[in-house]
Amino acid sequence: NAGVTQTPKFQVLKTGQSMTLQCAQDMNHEYMSWYRQDPGMGLRLIHYSVGAGITDQGEVPNGYNVSRSTTEDFPLRLLSAAPSQTSVYFCASSYLSGGGNYGYTFGSGTRLTVV
Amino acid sequence: AQTVTQSQPEMSVQEAETVTLSCTYDTSENNYYLFWYKQPPSRQMILVIRQEAYKQQNATENRFSVNFQKAAKSFSLKISDSQLGDTAMYFCAFMKQGGAQKLVFGQGTRLTINP
Repeated sequence: NAGVTQTPKFQVLKTGQSMTLQCAQDMNHEYMSWYRQDPGMGLRLIHYSVGAGITDQGEVPNGYNVSRSTTEDFPLRLLSAAPSQTSVYFCASSYLSGGGNYGYTFGSGTRLTVV
Repeated sequence: AQTVTQSQPEMSVQEAETVTLSCTYDTSENNYYLFWYKQPPSRQMILVIRQEAYKQQNATENRFSVNFQKAAKSFSLKISDSQLGDTAMYFCAFMKQGGAQKLVFGQGTRLTINP
């Protein structure tokens, strides 16, 4: 199993450009999330999904869009990149079992720089 | 809304010593999960330990254990016999049981193990 795969690992964008960060999981997990990590602020939730076709906003959604057409894929789109979106982005997935939620599995992250 | 606070931005100990990382949280929920994640320099997020709020017994995973004080809303991580490979950022995280399975993170503690 590959787990959670994020691409690309690094990206430099110019202000105003758009791009999509890809995220795919092969574990048939129902729940998926996107986080951004900034120094001193931990990881903050951007958008999340509770299943295919269902998404919702997290703590810091402005400037980002998501969709979840399949269980496996959860891309994050930056509509018009701004320097404030310079960050490390993580995709993560999780599931519920009879014993509850055992935590999220994370991708390896994307370091995005907006110049 | 839930909040998670890690009051120690940085800690440093000698190899083989025991170290305790602090975490407090604020919630009105009675049923929830708490997690500690490790992020080494590779940037990968690794689940260290999980605690269910309804369980009074503290979780243990090899050299890692927690001190869960539900009434005080405190969830500290103890690392025994620390090793150089324990050098990492450590994040405390909260998840309400049920609903959207959203993880809320603290700001992180940078732990350095010195030889």
